[in-house]
Amino acid sequence: DGGITQSPKYLFRKEGQNVTLSCEQNLNHDAMYWYRQDPGQGLRLIYYSQIVNDFQKGDIAEGYSVSREKKESFPLTVTSAQKNPTAFYLCASRTSNRGTEAFFGQGTRLTVV
Amino acid sequence: EDQVTQSPEALRLQEGESSSLNCSYTVSGLRGLFWYRQDPGKGPEFLFTLYSAGEEKEKERLKATLTKKESFLHITAPKPEDSATYLCAVQADTGANSKLTFGKGITLSVRP
Repeated sequence: DGGITQSPKYLFRKEGQNVTLSCEQNLNHDAMYWYRQDPGQGLRLIYYSQIVNDFQKGDIAEGYSVSREKKESFPLTVTSAQKNPTAFYLCASRTSNRGTEAFFGQGTRLTVV
Repeated sequence: EDQVTQSPEALRLQEGESSSLNCSYTVSGLRGLFWYRQDPGKGPEFLFTLYSAGEEKEKERLKATLTKKESFLHITAPKPEDSATYLCAVQADTGANSKLTFGKGITLSVRP
């Protein structure tokens, strides 16, 4: 089945630690995205990538880093510089054609303990 | 800057009571407007894409419409299983920029 896989589903982090969230897609999509969702805030864009080895900051990139070494993979690292990392993280992908919809993974819920 | 505003924030309906959800947008040239459904703890599920004013799309009890300033998601005779958060997003026609801007969502509850 084609789709987007995020792992893990739940992640617990101690303060001061870096953690990496995985996002893999087998849809042959060029563009991939990371969003953060907090209650009452909607989806806010962290980083996006339109092609391998290239990515751009979104609206709330501080404290996060990404890489795009393969078309299928777009991991997100939440660094210790992110002051309030507890949130629901969503990965999405879409084709490079303008106006096409994005498809989402099932999310990773990160909790700082 | 692209903006998307959804209203109301929450809506409670009785089963069978039809209503509409609103998505107002400001964008420098609309490339596409998207509606998604999101269940608690899950990723958003794609519903519709609208491209130009006057366009309409339907799926079961849902119908999406588009004007130059807003989109409506009409729900006809809703059932409890329609309870979810409905998200609206826009993509601007700004060259290579492919990012989507989302509204905060509308939480719909349908009582049996």
